Amino acid sequence: AQTVTQSQPEMSVQEAETVTLSCTYDTSESDYYLFWYKQPPSRQMILVIRQEAYKQQNATENRFSVNFQKAAKSFSLKISDSQLGDAAMYFCAYRSAWGGSEKLVFGKGTKLTVNP
Amino acid sequence: EAGVVQSPRYKIIEKKQPVAFWCNPISGHNTLYWYLQNLGQGPELLIRYENEEAVDDSQLPKDRFSAERLKGVDSTLKIQPAELGDSAVYLCASSPGTVVDEQFFGPGTRLTVL
Repeated sequence: AQTVTQSQPEMSVQEAETVTLSCTYDTSESDYYLFWYKQPPSRQMILVIRQEAYKQQNATENRFSVNFQKAAKSFSLKISDSQLGDAAMYFCAYRSAWGGSEKLVFGKGTKLTVNP
Repeated sequence: EAGVVQSPRYKIIEKKQPVAFWCNPISGHNTLYWYLQNLGQGPELLIRYENEEAVDDSQLPKDRFSAERLKGVDSTLKIQPAELGDSAVYLCASSPGTVVDEQFFGPGTRLTVL
């Protein structure tokens, strides 16, 4: 079974600074998808960024980028120019690319605080 | 476009009572998911529907939990009887229907069992 580990229960960053959230995963599959979701206090989970395992290029979405290291099974999220609205729980998630296994496997999350 | 709608947002019940949660997915989304999120944890899948068929319910505690998705649209998740350990947030998500599709989450229902 696949597992996702987020080793940082909490992180803090100053507004306008850069922060990196860590995620490692375990799988025997070669093709899969990795995600970072943001969950603000209102609890609505929002997709931040997605990475396909077969793509070597790291995904980027505006101020959010990932460092995907397939051999190391590492998938970190970098938030640049942090804003107060970035404060939330961040969950790393894995999904198999095999049809019939569309469930997301989540880590325990990292609580990000942004200090003004 | 309206998002995933869930109700109620909050529910407080006594143990051994029944409780039901309702989810209305995004229009046109064939796949619907129910996740359980315990405090301080990431969500865990309870059940996944493809249209009206439950295609993955391996994590659903079938002795007390049940779910249905009539007509392949709205879905209801029920617990009977509720136990103290069922206190959690119950999230519903939907996606258009393929492996590569993004899952869109609702705001969740926070259940407290006293």
